[in-house]
Amino acid sequence: EDQVTQSPEALRLQEGESSSLNCSYTVSGLRGLFWYRQDPGKGPEFLFTLYSAGEEKEKERLKATLTKKESFLHITAPKPEDSATYLCAVQPASGGYQKVTFGIGTKLQVIP
Amino acid sequence: KAGVTQTPRYLIKTRGQQVTLSCSPISGHRSVSWYQQTPGQGLQFLFEYFSETQRNKGNFPGRFSGRQFSNSRSEMNVSTLELGDSALYLCASSLALPGSSGANVLTFGAGSRLTVL
Repeated sequence: EDQVTQSPEALRLQEGESSSLNCSYTVSGLRGLFWYRQDPGKGPEFLFTLYSAGEEKEKERLKATLTKKESFLHITAPKPEDSATYLCAVQPASGGYQKVTFGIGTKLQVIP
Repeated sequence: KAGVTQTPRYLIKTRGQQVTLSCSPISGHRSVSWYQQTPGQGLQFLFEYFSETQRNKGNFPGRFSGRQFSNSRSEMNVSTLELGDSALYLCASSLALPGSSGANVLTFGAGSRLTVL
């Protein structure tokens, strides 16, 4: 069974204080690993897709990396508007086109 | 371009009642899936549809059902509601096609917040 574990569950940072969020996963063949951002009262919003170990993607202050067992979301010099819950998810190579296994998420708070 | 639209946004029901939630996918998206989100369990897959056919189903009891219409709009129904069914129900759509090998980016709606009393 596919599993995704995210840590920490909650993270409080001062504005400008860089950090990383961790996502450990087990999946029977990886089709893709996703990072989503979810704001209160809204649905998850897509950030990145990673396909294979060694891949990296960047968007503004966010950088996602992937190994065979983990993914990291690095946040450089965060701003208060980066406060949200960040979700990691994996899609297996077989068994459904939209069936994705999500972690519980890391709730990030960035304090001015 | 309109996003995924879910209605109603909020609803309150009592135990034993049933509820129907509606989802209109992004225009051109024929794949629709539903997820239940709770604080303790996170997002859990309910089911997915393509061209009015259920392609996959998650580990939920038969009280949870869904369907997709010819215009790709989808509904999910929960019968005999229980307190534990209180959750945010999220609908997602994508361009995924059967047999495609690429990862399918899901676009989510804002969700329907169900409270069961």
